[in-house]
Amino acid sequence: GENVEQHPSTLSVQEGDSAVIKCTYSDSASNYFPWYKQELGKRPQLIIDIRSNVGEKKDQRIAVTLNKTAKHFSLHITETQPEDSAVYFCAAGGGSQGNLIFGKGTKLSVKP
Amino acid sequence: KAGVTQTPRYLIKTRGQQVTLSCSPISGHRSVSWYQQTPGQGLQFLFEYFSETQRNKGNFPGRFSGRQFSNSRSEMNVSTLELGDSALYLCASSLNLGTNTGELFFGEGSRLTVL
Repeated sequence: GENVEQHPSTLSVQEGDSAVIKCTYSDSASNYFPWYKQELGKRPQLIIDIRSNVGEKKDQRIAVTLNKTAKHFSLHITETQPEDSAVYFCAAGGGSQGNLIFGKGTKLSVKP
Repeated sequence: KAGVTQTPRYLIKTRGQQVTLSCSPISGHRSVSWYQQTPGQGLQFLFEYFSETQRNKGNFPGRFSGRQFSNSRSEMNVSTLELGDSALYLCASSLNLGTNTGELFFGEGSRLTVL
C-alpha cells in the first residue's frame, strides 16, 4: 500500500533561519499533498497543500514544492519564529487507498 | 460555526475493557474519519464514514469498529483493550467524501490510557 516517509524526525533551528522538511511517497497515483501543523496539546491544522498539477505553492513564509517524477515533496519555512515550533505532518492522498496517508511527523524547534 | 467536538477528552481503562469515543463533526460536514496518534508513529488511519456507511478502513484489527448516525455524528469502539491501544484518538470531518482531496478539520482528540 501507499507509504509516506518523512525526514527529519526532529529539526532544531535558530530564529530567523530556514527550515526544510522532506517527504517521499510510493503511490504514483497520489495527487494531493497537504501539510498539517500540530502545536503542543492542540489539534492538527492544515497550513498549506499542493495538488499534482502545480510544482510549487507559497503562502507568506511557507512554501511547498512537489516533484512528481521523483515522488517527493517538501515544506519550506523561511524566517522561522518561535511560534513555528510544532510537529509538522506531511500527507499524500488521491491514490489507490482512498484516504490520506500521513508521515510520522517532524518536531521543529525554533530557538530564540 | 462550532468546530469538531470529541468526547470524552481523557479516559483511563484497564486491559480487557471496552471503550466508546464520540465525535460531532462541523455542521454540514458529512464525512468523518478517525486516526490513532502515538508518539513516533504519526497519524494512522482507522476508518472513514460518509452518509452512515463505512467507506474506507485502515489496517487495524477487528476490535476497532465505528459507526455514523444520520446527523453525521460518529462513534468508534475498541473492545478487549490492550496496553498498546493507549493513544490519542483524533476525529476529523470534511465537507465531502474523499478526505484525501480536501481539508480535514480535526477535533482535539480523546486521550485513552490503558492500564
